[in-house]
Amino acid sequence: GAVVSQHPSWVICKSGTSVKIECRSLDFQATTMFWYRQFPKQSLMLMATSNEGSKATYEQGVEKDKFLINHASLTLSTLTVTSAHPEDSSFYICSAHSGGPTETQYFGPGTRLLVL
Amino acid sequence: GQNIDQPTEMTATEGAIVQINCTYQTSGFNGLFWYQQHAGEAPTFLSYNVLDGLEEKGRFSSFLSRSKGYSYLLLKELQMKDSASYLCAGMDSNYQLIWGAGTKLIIKP
Repeated sequence: GAVVSQHPSWVICKSGTSVKIECRSLDFQATTMFWYRQFPKQSLMLMATSNEGSKATYEQGVEKDKFLINHASLTLSTLTVTSAHPEDSSFYICSAHSGGPTETQYFGPGTRLLVL
Repeated sequence: GQNIDQPTEMTATEGAIVQINCTYQTSGFNGLFWYQQHAGEAPTFLSYNVLDGLEEKGRFSSFLSRSKGYSYLLLKELQMKDSASYLCAGMDSNYQLIWGAGTKLIIKP
C-alpha cells in the first residue's frame, strides 16, 4: 500500500522554540494532506487541510499563526509549531490523500512532541 | 451537526468473534472508514465502504447500511494482537473524515 513518512518521530524541546514536522508521501502524489493532533486517550482531531500550492484551511479553534503549514510540493507538507508551549505537547499525525473523492487517506507514523 | 458514535470499550475472548458498531451523521456522505490504532501509534487503514453490504477481508469484515447510517466492523478468530482501538470515520461531502472517539478492544486469553 501507499507509504507516508513523518520526520522526526520524536521531539523534545524547550518552551518558546519552534518545531518543524515533515510529512512525505513516498510513492504517490498527494494533492491533499491533513494534519491531526491527538491527546492521550482522545480521538484524532483535525487541525488543518493542506492543498498543494494553496493556503491551508484551518479548523475552528486552531491558530494559523501558531501552526504554520506549507504544502510546497505534491509529496511534502510541513507543520511548524511556532513558540511551542507545554500545552502543545501532543501526538501529531499527518495523512495524505492521493486524489479522487474516494481514495483512502494514508497516515504517517506520527510525531510525538514534548515541550518542556 | 456531524457525529460518529461507537462504544467506548469492548472485551472479547481470544479465538472468538466481536462486532464493533458505529452510527454516523455526516453532511453528505462519501464513505465509511475503519482504522486500527495500537497505543502510541498512528492509525492504520482497515476498510472502506461506500455501498451497502458486507466487505470481507480475511479475518476482518465491514458492513454498511446507508439508509440506517450504520456500520459495523466484524473481527473473527480474535488474536491477542487485535487488542487496539478501532476508529470509525465518515467522509462528508467535502471529503473530510469525521472521526469517532474510537472503541478500545480488550482481548482476554
